[in-house]
Amino acid sequence: DTGVSQNPRHKITKRGQNVTFRCDPISEHNRLYWYRQTLGQGPEFLTYFQNEAQLEKSRLLSDRFSAERPKGSFSTLEIQRTEQGDSAMYLCASSLVGEGGYTFGSGTRLTVV
Amino acid sequence: KQEVTQIPAALSVPEGENLVLNCSFTDSAIYNLQWFRQDPGKGLTSLLLIQSSQREQTSGRLNASLDKSSGRSTLYIAASQPGDSATYLCAVFNTNAGKSTFGDGTTLTVKP
Repeated sequence: DTGVSQNPRHKITKRGQNVTFRCDPISEHNRLYWYRQTLGQGPEFLTYFQNEAQLEKSRLLSDRFSAERPKGSFSTLEIQRTEQGDSAMYLCASSLVGEGGYTFGSGTRLTVV
Repeated sequence: KQEVTQIPAALSVPEGENLVLNCSFTDSAIYNLQWFRQDPGKGLTSLLLIQSSQREQTSGRLNASLDKSSGRSTLYIAASQPGDSATYLCAVFNTNAGKSTFGDGTTLTVKP
């Protein structure tokens, strides 16, 4: 197993454009989490899935954000009409229910110009 | 709502020193606590995972303790090395929340 994979590693986009990030979790993990991290801060929770079901979505997420996990495998996080305040590192983690412990990917660094 | 605090925010020590990083949390109904290391611009690497029934975990020069009743965890690093320089984050998993809450981290600098 190669761990949690995130693509792309870096994304620079113009304000108002849409962007989509992908996360491939560890194959046997049934939970998948998205967090956002800005400089000097700890990761902030965005949303999580158990298998294909999205169980919680943070109030931090506006309607411009949407996440999916079709078939309970990989997940995508889409941001529509990006704003400069969306610039951050977007982190994906997976875990196995009942055993706990997150495994993180390398993150996607988003810069909105 | 769980709140996690890490003190100090930054720490600088000479090589070879033993040091302790602190993590405190407000809701003691936790499932586990996890310590991570993060290098600049990178993702998070898990260092130690302590289940709620455990008091401590050890890996090499690292030892993490957990005291649920007081809402505290410590990460002890023995014989620090310049390669230990990084930001250390603790994350507390609450079963009723289904997710972990992170502190803002302690940035450690170990000087040669």
